[in-house]
Amino acid sequence: SQQGEEDPQALSIQEGENATMNCSYKTSINNLQWYRQNSGRGLVHLILIRSNEREKHSGRLRVTLDTSKKSSSLLITASRAADTASYFCATAQEAGANSKLTFGKGITLSVRP
Amino acid sequence: GAGVSQSPRYKVAKRGQDVALRCDPISGHVSLFWYQQALGQGPEFLTYFQNEAQLDKSGLPSDRFFAERPEGSVSTLKIQRTQKEDSAVYLCASSFRTGWTASGRDRGNIQYFGAGTRLSVL
Repeated sequence: SQQGEEDPQALSIQEGENATMNCSYKTSINNLQWYRQNSGRGLVHLILIRSNEREKHSGRLRVTLDTSKKSSSLLITASRAADTASYFCATAQEAGANSKLTFGKGITLSVRP
Repeated sequence: GAGVSQSPRYKVAKRGQDVALRCDPISGHVSLFWYQQALGQGPEFLTYFQNEAQLDKSGLPSDRFFAERPEGSVSTLKIQRTQKEDSAVYLCASSFRTGWTASGRDRGNIQYFGAGTRLSVL
């Protein structure tokens, strides 16, 4: 079963604009991660935020986490055509390498040149 | 070294046929996961290995699905008597053992995915 629900399901923006994607989840978590998947490829880890963190930055990425609302957002600033991909949030209920990830259905981002 | 490698990339099977999907994790990674991704959906957990031990197989959809990792490295996911509903992309991921340092803690939580095997059952 899918844990997360991403919103919107699809997003189309112009190059240079910011893209904001939201994710909600159902159960308590240890951490939440965002992954990117290009068409026909595997998933690539983007950023991880722990349950005791509220905001984290990595390059053009900013992720927030609100555990009281069980929601997260991913902001990609100054988007590029190469950012076109599907984005998934994934939650881990435990810490460490033995924790399976529970993914949402994903958001399809299209960045127009 | 190299990333997670999966083979074959594409597999077409006739209904009722057995298939075997292979995963080569990143060298030294202790943990290995299998996920199933249906078209237009996110990946769903199938099973997890720590070294050669299969510690969680709660996601396997039926007893037709079997996974092994006999030497704690390469893993094989086998599907017996394939059905049309088995058509999906099968993803393998591996991860480090959690480290003691602050930077190592996050590494243990990150999974590195292969490109997947797209299985089509006719």
